[in-house]
Amino acid sequence: QAQLVESGGGLVKPGGSLRLSCAASGFSFSDYYMTWIRQAPGKGLEWVSYISSTGTNKYYADSVKGRFTISRDNAKNSLYLQMNSLRAEDTAVYYCARDRTISGWFDPWGQGTLVTVSS
Amino acid sequence: QSALTQPASVSGSPGQSITISCTGTSSDVGGYKYVSWYQQQPGKAPKLMIYEVSNRPSGVPDRFSGSKSGNTASLTISGLQAEDEADYYCSSYTSTNSLVFGGGTKLTVL
Repeated sequence: QAQLVESGGGLVKPGGSLRLSCAASGFSFSDYYMTWIRQAPGKGLEWVSYISSTGTNKYYADSVKGRFTISRDNAKNSLYLQMNSLRAEDTAVYYCARDRTISGWFDPWGQGTLVTVSS
Repeated sequence: QSALTQPASVSGSPGQSITISCTGTSSDVGGYKYVSWYQQQPGKAPKLMIYEVSNRPSGVPDRFSGSKSGNTASLTISGLQAEDEADYYCSSYTSTNSLVFGGGTKLTVL
């Protein structure tokens, strides 16, 4: 059964950095696109970034472009999100999810990891 | 990319049917088959309910159905049950190789 587990969230000061990880199990990780999605407290879902199955192609929301970097290690079945120059508005629960392509077929989702940007 | 437009809330009684709309543009909902719907219970991660406009993943009851007409997609839940009370979100692929979500709809089962 496919499973995703995020880690790395926490409290960070504005302007700081944080690296999120997503550990995948139960499926052939290298066959799938992967994505990060976030949800600010009490708000809706916001797509953050996609990475292709080989890691060659990467896509970002305008709100994080130039500050966040998505990457993956297929040998370790792991997805990452390096977040730099963090702002208060980046405060959210960050979810990773599996996709077949850029389609929204998010199945499954991880349980999420909370990132809080505050001084 | 602007968020897709969903009603903030809908409600229905057990056994009834409800429909949640998701309106975009020809650059997202209207232009592609990649429209999905998710259910989010309080404090939990979202769950995929519909993908590619009208397909249900295994395990999702056939009370849930999806459709699309022009720039508007719809999620219909028939035979409403108390356990269906949740937030529902739509998403669509866009012409800029990105994904956009709707603002979410809170479903209340009366």
